[in-house]
Order: sequence, then structure tokens, then C-alpha cells
Amino acid sequence: QQQVKQSPQSLIVQKGGISIINCAYENTAFDYFPWYQQFPGKGPALLIAIRPDVSEKKEGRFTISFNKSAKQFSLHIMDSQPGDSATYFCAASWDEVRAQKLVFGQGTRLTINP
Amino acid sequence: DGGITQSPKYLFRKEGQNVTLSCEQNLNHDAMYWYRQDPGQGLRLIYYSQIVNDFQKGDIAEGYSVSREKKESFPLTVTSAQKNPTAFYLCASSVPGSYEQYFGPGTRLTVT
Repeated sequence: QQQVKQSPQSLIVQKGGISIINCAYENTAFDYFPWYQQFPGKGPALLIAIRPDVSEKKEGRFTISFNKSAKQFSLHIMDSQPGDSATYFCAASWDEVRAQKLVFGQGTRLTINP
Repeated sequence: DGGITQSPKYLFRKEGQNVTLSCEQNLNHDAMYWYRQDPGQGLRLIYYSQIVNDFQKGDIAEGYSVSREKKESFPLTVTSAQKNPTAFYLCASSVPGSYEQYFGPGTRLTVT
């Protein structure tokens, strides 16, 4: 019930194209859905996040779409650039007493071909 | 510069030895976390701490131990009881009440 399932495992997109990564969850207690970006040998960094009371959030070329009834959310990267090549993780969090714990998806390795 | 430091970046140990990974933060965050990252498995929570002198087990705590004697520091010991210790270890911190976690650069541990 605490899992977040992410797909695809890897994705290759041409420069200028749209990259789409999908995640699904089961636990309706999750109330925060972030996406993290990780470059090789580095720690993940928060990219964008959404709460379940909003269906879409956009920051620059990055958009989260959220479907509460389907328990799915996705990351869209518009006009994908070679510098976007990284591993992306979706995550979900809920508020326990004295803790805000994150559950991560398995990750998607994104490659943008020039 | 505020941030999280983890040292060393690469660590090599022989099987049967305990090893301690360092995590220090100067963000004045109360909460700190340790994750393990394996290829194709995302990040899994090992231990977390919300305040000094208190910590909780995460999803994969077996074979690991932690201490939280200072707000800035949250060292992780990988004991010989951990069956598959080779992995990339990530430390993170956050402000209680905030979901955003800030990650360090990680330590890659190889045990042979």
C-alpha cells in the first residue's frame, strides 16, 4: 500500500520533444507528490511538487499532471534538452506524527538525444 | 554555503567490518534521513530522526545503526550484519512540517 510504481524504467527522447514519466499509487493518505531529478554521482534534487487538491502544476518546461480518481500523476518535460538527461524519481508522502516520510518510485533514466 | 556534506564520496571495506558514513548539515534542519539507493529500486528509507537523541527505523533498518547526538550530525553505521551493504547511501534533511527534503551528494560503499 505504501508503494509508488513508476514507468518507464528508461526513456529516450529527441531534443525538443516531450518527455513523459508516469507514476501510480494506492495509498489515498498520500498528500504530497514531488518529483526529484538526479544526475550521475549526485544526490537527488527537488524539481517540482504537487498537492492532491490541484490537477496540474507548471514550472517553466516542467509540468505535473495529477489524476486523483485514478491515483496517478505524471511529469511532462516540454522542449526536452540534452541537459535534462538524468534519472527522475517520483515520490509520495504522508504526514505521520513527528515525521514526513517519502516513498520513492523506482526511477526513470531519461536520455535526450541532440 | 549552506548544505549537506557526506564523506567520504567512495568507501571500500572488507566483508565483516563495520563502517560509519558521515552526514553533516548546516541548514539548521531538525529532521535528518538516511536512504539507500540500488539500481532500479529507487531510494529506500533506512533511518530517520526528527530531533536530537531520537531516531526511528525506516523500511530497511536491519543491519544498520545510527546516532543523533548533535543537530548537525547523523552518522550511519553499516554493520557486518547487513547482508548486501554495497550501495549508494544518501543523507537528507528537512524542516519538520515541510515535505521538502534536501539531499547530500551521497557515499558509494563497496564491500568485498
